[in-house]
Amino acid sequence: DAKTTQPPSMDCAEGRAANLPCNHSTISGNEYVYWYRQIHSQGPQYIIHGLKNNETNEMASLIITEDRKSSTLILPHATLRDTAVYYCIVRATTTSGTYKYIFGTGTRLKVLA
Amino acid sequence: NAGVTQTPKFRILKIGQSMTLQCTQDMNHNYMYWYRQDPGMGLKLIYYSVGAGITDKGEVPNGYNVSRSTTEDFPLRLELAAPSQTSVYFCASGRQGASGANVLTFGAGSRLTVL
Repeated sequence: DAKTTQPPSMDCAEGRAANLPCNHSTISGNEYVYWYRQIHSQGPQYIIHGLKNNETNEMASLIITEDRKSSTLILPHATLRDTAVYYCIVRATTTSGTYKYIFGTGTRLKVLA
Repeated sequence: NAGVTQTPKFRILKIGQSMTLQCTQDMNHNYMYWYRQDPGMGLKLIYYSVGAGITDKGEVPNGYNVSRSTTEDFPLRLELAAPSQTSVYFCASGRQGASGANVLTFGAGSRLTVL
């Protein structure tokens, strides 16, 4: 299964861009990178996903390196409500062709006032 | 739409008791997953299902059983509760899209304490 490595914690000033890195050096060519976040003890919330190209939606941007071995989630103008644990996930494909999602320990982002 | 609904939200069990955590989704998703999250840790995959009648083990399946008789429901059963199963349990569902992506929707979680 493709594994991801993220820094355990980061701080970001309110209003600034938060850049959260993720390494996924064992990713295979057709595997997507997903980002979720978990606020307090709520269920994780989907943020964005990508395969090769950079992606942007109303919540964030995702930058994937050309070799696909790492990515960065960008929250362009972080607010206090963005304080959460952010998970970078590479979907694993089983031998039977089904998909499972293995979460790591994530990055705890703290947005400071 | 209700999304993914988990019941109960909280439960206290005695060692050796059994119980079933319920999970229902109304989005006609084919994939469903059960995760557990211990305090301060990430989520660990217990079991998952790709459709009615099909289930498979995740990272930490020991002590749990699942079934998937319908598309909507994916219950998780604990047969002999142990203190090590004290955790928050999350159910998730997703649909395999034409693009190959599969975005998961999570429930609010079920907090289980085994004493």
